[in-house]
Amino acid sequence: EVQLVESGGGLVKPGGSLRLSCAASGFTFSSYSMNWVRQAPGKGLEWVSSISSSSSYIYYADSVKGRFTISRDNAKNSLYLQMNSLRAEDTAVYYCATETPGTGGMDVWGQGTTVTVSS
Amino acid sequence: QSVLTQPPSASGTPGQRVTISCSGSSSNIGSNYVYWYQQLPGTAPKLLIYRNNQRPSGVPDRFSGSKSGTSASLAISGLRSEDEADYYCAAWDDSLNWVFGGGTKLTVL
Repeated sequence: EVQLVESGGGLVKPGGSLRLSCAASGFTFSSYSMNWVRQAPGKGLEWVSSISSSSSYIYYADSVKGRFTISRDNAKNSLYLQMNSLRAEDTAVYYCATETPGTGGMDVWGQGTTVTVSS
Repeated sequence: QSVLTQPPSASGTPGQRVTISCSGSSSNIGSNYVYWYQQLPGTAPKLLIYRNNQRPSGVPDRFSGSKSGTSASLAISGLRSEDEADYYCAAWDDSLNWVFGGGTKLTVL
């Protein structure tokens, strides 16, 4: 079964750091680009970052550039998001999602992990 | 303020046909594919339409997508109660980022 499981969310103070993980199973992780997408409470979807299959191409939303770092370990079938200098507006459910060549879209999503930035 | 513009809400009665619009610009919808996602309450988004008008396996043919210029639309025919969800359009932007619409909440009356 194709599955993505996020972890690492929690409550953190403004200015703090958090590292999210996304464990992949059931497919050849190393062949797919991956994304982080977030959803603030009661709001819509916001793309955060993308990383290509071999980490050659990395992109960030302007809202997180310079503060967040996406990475992956294909040997461990894992995707990461290092989040530094967190702000209240980073509070959201963070989803990881695959981007498959066959569709070009994000066709497998995890269940999400919640990040709350509050003092 | 989302880069892609969608109506915040839409509604219809069972059996009706409903369309949801998505407006962008030449750097996103105008030059790249459009994708549609369905998010049922309390769940993760699901890919509904890819590359403007293609359905992943398992998505009923009641769902269809189209694109013209810098706009796109999602049509749902034979509306069912289980279609009540939030719908988002998305496209790659030439400034090297994915952009999403603000989402449309579909209510089945």
